[in-house]
This record gives sequence, structure tokens and C-alpha cells, in this order.
Amino acid sequence: SAVISQKPSRDICQRGTSLTIQCQVDSQVTMMFWYRQQPGQSLTLIATANQGSEATYESGFVIDKFPISRPNLTFSTLTVSNMSPEDSSIYLCSVEDARARGGTDTQYFGPGTRLTVL
Amino acid sequence: EDKVVQSPLSLVVHEGDTVTLNCSYEVTNFRSLLWYKQEKKAPTFLFMLTSSGIEKKSGRLSSILDKKELFSILNITATQTGDSAVYLCAVGVSWEYGNKLVFGAGTILRVKS
Repeated sequence: SAVISQKPSRDICQRGTSLTIQCQVDSQVTMMFWYRQQPGQSLTLIATANQGSEATYESGFVIDKFPISRPNLTFSTLTVSNMSPEDSSIYLCSVEDARARGGTDTQYFGPGTRLTVL
Repeated sequence: EDKVVQSPLSLVVHEGDTVTLNCSYEVTNFRSLLWYKQEKKAPTFLFMLTSSGIEKKSGRLSSILDKKELFSILNITATQTGDSAVYLCAVGVSWEYGNKLVFGAGTILRVKS
């Protein structure tokens, strides 16, 4: 399966600032996804990022708050803008890798970014 | 609205016990059902199920899907302390922009030695 890395692995930020999270994959993939996992909660999809097109956001998430870039088939960034303590979460990127054991639909996850906003 | 419900939300067992985790769903455009194990940050893939009644096995873990009754179970036999984790059920759905996963809240499993 694809190997996914994320940077930074964790950060502590002040409210009102922005943080950009990077997701790098070791092979070309069409579909990349960004999730948020708030403390004690399950994964919530923020947006789907396809190369060469605008990201598609889920209900409750907007581009001004979570701008996403997808410049090529191996890389994406998620920015958390104008942060507040409610943005404290783990942010995960994932890729759909049809070649992997599970087949189409199976998503593999990066190690995550733990964000704390003070 | 697509919905995935897992039960129980948490349970504590002793090493050697067998556990059954449940996942029910109500979604439009069902494609697949997936199970993940989450120990620290990144969920790790366990199984993907697309057909009813066909059990998938990996060591002490097994899973089966019932597409008529809209649920799946994950069984873990002879549990070990290393099985302690959050187990996530996700349903793959198709929509106008492609495919995506809808996750349940997870079941927290703690195995005591």
C-alpha cells in the first residue's frame, strides 16, 4: 500500500494564526482526503482533494477556513486558518489505493498531525 | 443523511475472551464496508467487505457483512492486550464527486491481562 507522511506531526499554535499541514505520498494517487478527529470523536471528512480540480468540501466545512491545495498526484496541503481552541484536533490525510490489499474504496491514512490551539 | 452506528461504544474484557463488535448503517449508494483499528493516530486497515455472507479472516479477526439487514460484525477470538484499541467501522458510498467513507463513532476495546 501507499506510504504516506505528514508534516508537522504536532504543533501548538496561538488563536488567530494559521497552520499548513503537508501530506506526501510515495506513489501517484487520484483521490486524497482530509479528515478531522476531535478529542474522543470519530473521523469527520473535511474535503476530498483531486489533482487539477477544486477540493470538494463536506457540509459544515468551508474553503475560507480550510483551504486545500493539490498541485500534483503525490502531494496536498491543508491550511487551518484563523484558528480557535475548537480547532484543536488530529488532522489526517488519506489516499485511496486501488492496488492495495483491500482494493478500490480502501483508504490508507497518514500518521496524523496533532494540533493544539491556545 | 448517511449514518453508521457502532455498538457497544466501549467494552472491557479479559485476555482470552472472544468479542463481537457491531456496525449498522443507513446510507444511499452503498459500495463497501470497512473495518479499521486505531491505536494512536492513524487508523490501520483490517477488512473491506462488499458481498453478503462471505466471511473474511485474518488470524484471530474475522468479519462478515449482511446487506439485507444492513450490518456487519467484527469478531476477535482469544483476545490479547495488544488488541486494545478503537475499532472503527466505515461505509464506502458513491456520490457525485467520487467515493468517500462515512465513519461510525468507534468501539473502544480494552483487554485486561
